[in-house]
Formats: sequence, structure tokens, C-alpha cells
Amino acid sequence: EVQLVESGGGLVQPGGSLRLSCAASGFTFSSYWMSWVRQAPGKGLEWVANINQDGSEKYYVNSVKGRFTISRDNAKNSLYLQMNSLRVEDTAVYYCARAVGMVYAVGFDYWGQGTLVTVSS
Amino acid sequence: QSALTQPRSVSGSPGQSVTISCTGTSSDVGDYNYVSWYQHHPGKAPKLMIYDVSKRPSGVPDRFSGSKSGNTASLTISGLQAEDEADYYCCSYAGTYTLLFGGGTKLTVL
Repeated sequence: EVQLVESGGGLVQPGGSLRLSCAASGFTFSSYWMSWVRQAPGKGLEWVANINQDGSEKYYVNSVKGRFTISRDNAKNSLYLQMNSLRVEDTAVYYCARAVGMVYAVGFDYWGQGTLVTVSS
Repeated sequence: QSALTQPRSVSGSPGQSVTISCTGTSSDVGDYNYVSWYQHHPGKAPKLMIYDVSKRPSGVPDRFSGSKSGNTASLTISGLQAEDEADYYCCSYAGTYTLLFGGGTKLTVL
């Protein structure tokens, strides 16, 4: 059974940093693109970042470029999101998701339960 | 890039059919056959219902179907059931390794 479990969310002040983790199990982690998707309170889903199978390709939504870094450790079956210079508008539930597509991510077939990040003073 | 456009809400009675539209541009929905649809019950993990415009993952009832015409994709749910009440999101590949979601549609089963 595919499982994705996020951790690392919490309350942080504007300008602060936070690192999210996602522990994957039930599939060959190193064979899949992986992604982060977020949902701000009362808002819709927003794709945040993608990373390819070996971590050599990374792509971001414009609003987080230069502030967030996606990474993975295939030996530990884990996905990460390092979030720096956090803004109030980054407040959201962050989901880890397994991507559909081998050459590039074109959708998401499994999702975690999400971890809440609150940016507030 | 702007979010794809979905109606904020749709409703239907049990047994009826509803269709949710998802309008993008010639740079996303219109240019790629990579539209997916997600069912999201608040507080739970989103669930993939349709991918590649019209393909259903195993385990998704055939009451759910997807299609696309030009810059607009659609999700049709036939034989509505109470458990179908949820938020539904479309998503499209938008080129250069990026993806766009729609704003979401709240489905109410009357």
C-alpha cells in the first residue's frame, strides 16, 4: 500500500524557515517524480514544486522561486521542502504527492494527509 | 500563470448527472492531453479520479468520466451518490514542467 506521511509543519514568524519532510513507503520511491502541493485556508490547491527521480531536475511555482528548495533522499525514501523567507501568504496545508508521468510530472496519483504551516507574528 | 477556471459550485439530486467544467488556455488545457481531476473531502487527502483527460485509475467507479474540447475540460459524474459530495479540482500540465490547478468546485448532493 502506498503511503506518504508529511511532518515538520508548525507556527513560524514571517521571514523564518521551516523544513518539511515526507516519508514514502509501499512503492519504489526512486522511480517516481515527487511533488509538493499546498492549500491555503479557504482556497484551492496550488502546485508548489516537482523533483525528478534522481533529484537532478527541480521546478517551482513562481511565487516560491528563490525561497523554497525541494530535495529527496532515495536511500531514505524521503522527500523534503526547505522553506526560507516565509511570508504570511505561505500559510497553508502542504501535501506531499507522488507524480504521474515518467518524463515529467503531469498529475498526482497518491497524496499524503498534509501538514499545516502557519506563518504569523 | 492564472489558475484554471471552474464554477464555484454545482449541485444535483441522487441519481442525476452533473458536469464540472475547467477552462484554461491554449498554453495549458488546450495544448496538452494532461488534465487530471481530484476529489477532496475537507481534512482528507485528495484523491485522483481522472488523469490524461479521460483515464480512470483502478478503483474509481465508471460513473466518473472526463473529456476535453479545445481549452475546456470537463468531469461528468453520473448516478450521483451522497458520498460524491466533495470539492473537485482540475489540474493541467502547463509546459516547462509546471502544473496549474483550477480554483475548485463544491459539489452538493441535494
